[in-house]
Amino acid sequence: GQNIDQPTEMTATEGAIVQINCTYQTSGFNGLFWYQQHAGEAPTFLSYNVLDGLEEKGRFSSFLSRSKGYSYLLLKELQMKDSASYLCAVREHNQGGKLIFGQGTELSVKP
Amino acid sequence: KAGVTQTPRYLIKTRGQQVTLSCSPISGHRSVSWYQQTPGQGLQFLFEYFSETQRNKGNFPGRFSGRQFSNSRSEMNVSTLELGDSALYLCASSWGQGGTEAFFGQGTRLTVV
Repeated sequence: GQNIDQPTEMTATEGAIVQINCTYQTSGFNGLFWYQQHAGEAPTFLSYNVLDGLEEKGRFSSFLSRSKGYSYLLLKELQMKDSASYLCAVREHNQGGKLIFGQGTELSVKP
Repeated sequence: KAGVTQTPRYLIKTRGQQVTLSCSPISGHRSVSWYQQTPGQGLQFLFEYFSETQRNKGNFPGRFSGRQFSNSRSEMNVSTLELGDSALYLCASSWGQGGTEAFFGQGTRLTVV
């Protein structure tokens, strides 16, 4: 079966760097997605990793290690607007576009 | 380029009724997936449609069904509504089943009373 774990909550300071971890167990890995979701809004696509390594996109970076079943999302130069829920989702082989989501990490950015 | 459009945005229904939700994917995208989001269960996969065919189905009862039209627009239907069906229903659009991006619509907030 599938299992995706993320911390439930994190707090960080404006201007700082925060790393949100995600560990997963799947039958056949075929990609990992990160989404940002503000309260009452739809999830917004942030990044996609399928090969090991770091993908950088502006202030956001995402890392994947397939052998460890591990990913992290790195947010730099935190801004108040980064306060949101961050969702890790995994796609498996032979499952088409189906995504299995973790419960999300609620990030609070304090001044 | 227009994003994923879901209608209606909000809906209130009574138990036992049925409801139909609509999703128009990004132009050129052929895969539409539906998810249910609740505070307790998070985001859970309902089903996926590609080229008018259901390609995958989650663990939901048969009261939940869907379809996709030739223009890739998709609808999902929930019959005999229960209080527990109250949730945010989201659809995700991607170019293909193995796409590197999947974009969500704003969702339909369904409240069953």
